[in-house]
Amino acid sequence: SQQGEEDPQALSIQEGENATMNCSYKTSINNLQWYRQNSGRGLVHLILIRSNEREKHSGRLRVTLDTSKKSSSLLITASRAADTASYFCVPSGGGADGLTFGKGTHLIIQP
Amino acid sequence: AAGVIQSPRHLIKEKRETATLKCYPIPRHDTVYWYQQGPGQDPQFLISFYEKMQSDKGSIPDRFSAQQFSDYHSELNMSSLELGDSALYFCASRRAGGRYEQYFGPGTRLTVT
Repeated sequence: SQQGEEDPQALSIQEGENATMNCSYKTSINNLQWYRQNSGRGLVHLILIRSNEREKHSGRLRVTLDTSKKSSSLLITASRAADTASYFCVPSGGGADGLTFGKGTHLIIQP
Repeated sequence: AAGVIQSPRHLIKEKRETATLKCYPIPRHDTVYWYQQGPGQDPQFLISFYEKMQSDKGSIPDRFSAQQFSDYHSELNMSSLELGDSALYFCASRRAGGRYEQYFGPGTRLTVT
């Protein structure tokens, strides 16, 4: 997979607010995945959006994909303290290759 | 639901020693991946196996080797350990057949002193 570039690098919001983070990538993809990592813990797969999809929802998560701009966004609605984590986007060509992680967006939810 | 199991969860070794980390994938997952995450670093892909064959190789040092066994579990062997090998080592598994999501284990924290 190629490396995605997440923006912003850090985001701090109040509990209950919505959080939006963005991802840009360089070459065409088969799918794009978002992962979450709580401090010092394993990564958790959140959602996968395929290149022929424009928007996908999963619970409080909404992901968009714009292949013409090579960008994606992840929206977390009604944030909770447990959402405090680093979020990584991983653009993928669709093979079984190892994932390449960027710096991620470090999200802090203030109580 | 069953998750990826890694053992041990914590390991302390001295420089120049060897270490073996084990990974048990989710049942019916046939691809295993290893990642290394140093302190304050992003996870880095090391190596992967599909049906007991190496399928992809990342930034794995020559001092490290890995294999996947007939029951699909995998072991990462690390020799001549260096201080810089201190890191979290994650294993992930994936089910073949058009599924791309990887499911990560809790990690093994290796400390080299």
